[in-house]
Amino acid sequence: KAGVTQTPRYLIKTRGQQVTLSCSPISGHRSVSWYQQTPGQGLQFLFEYFSETQRNKGNFPGRFSGRQFSNSRSEMNVSTLELGDSALYLCASSLSPAATYEQYFGPGTRLTVT
Amino acid sequence: GENVEQHPSTLSVQEGDSAVIKCTYSDSASNYFPWYKQELGKRPQLIIDIRSNVGEKKDQRIAVTLNKTAKHFSLHITETQPEDSAVYFCAARQRDSGYSTLTFGKGTMLLVSP
Repeated sequence: KAGVTQTPRYLIKTRGQQVTLSCSPISGHRSVSWYQQTPGQGLQFLFEYFSETQRNKGNFPGRFSGRQFSNSRSEMNVSTLELGDSALYLCASSLSPAATYEQYFGPGTRLTVT
Repeated sequence: GENVEQHPSTLSVQEGDSAVIKCTYSDSASNYFPWYKQELGKRPQLIIDIRSNVGEKKDQRIAVTLNKTAKHFSLHITETQPEDSAVYFCAARQRDSGYSTLTFGKGTMLLVSP
């Protein structure tokens, strides 16, 4: 099976702009979670989608949003970018949101905000 | 919400030695504890996981132990090799109204010297 894919892999934006990141889960996986990874804070949970519905949301401002399509692909959007949004954004897919299903990560999108 | 503490933040060992990384969690409802290995510039990869109904799990040179009473779990790597050098993340999955999120520790950078 193909793994989790994310596009684009690298992105440079300026403050105030908005950005959309895309994640395609493993075939058959219906749950997609998003994480922000920074050197100081590690992996922080953004949100999780299942069956086109947001199931959980982490402690991030409303500038961070996402959605999931009927084919389980997911996008996340960050509006009004700030310098502190520079990070590696990882998505992970699993069969379902059930507590004991393994999550598999994509390669990430490296976002740099200047 | 769930809080996962991971220690140490860095660990240096000689090739052939054992390495132990420890994590504690706060939510007694957590029942799934995965460990991820992230090599430089790569995605986190699931290396082993344990569910709350078992106390120990082994896979070749790696093992994980879980103490539910004390709410801590540990990763043990024996006969370390230079290719084990990476950042290791522990995580705990928390139940919340039938859905759950994965909370990560801040990571341990393991350096194995030849």
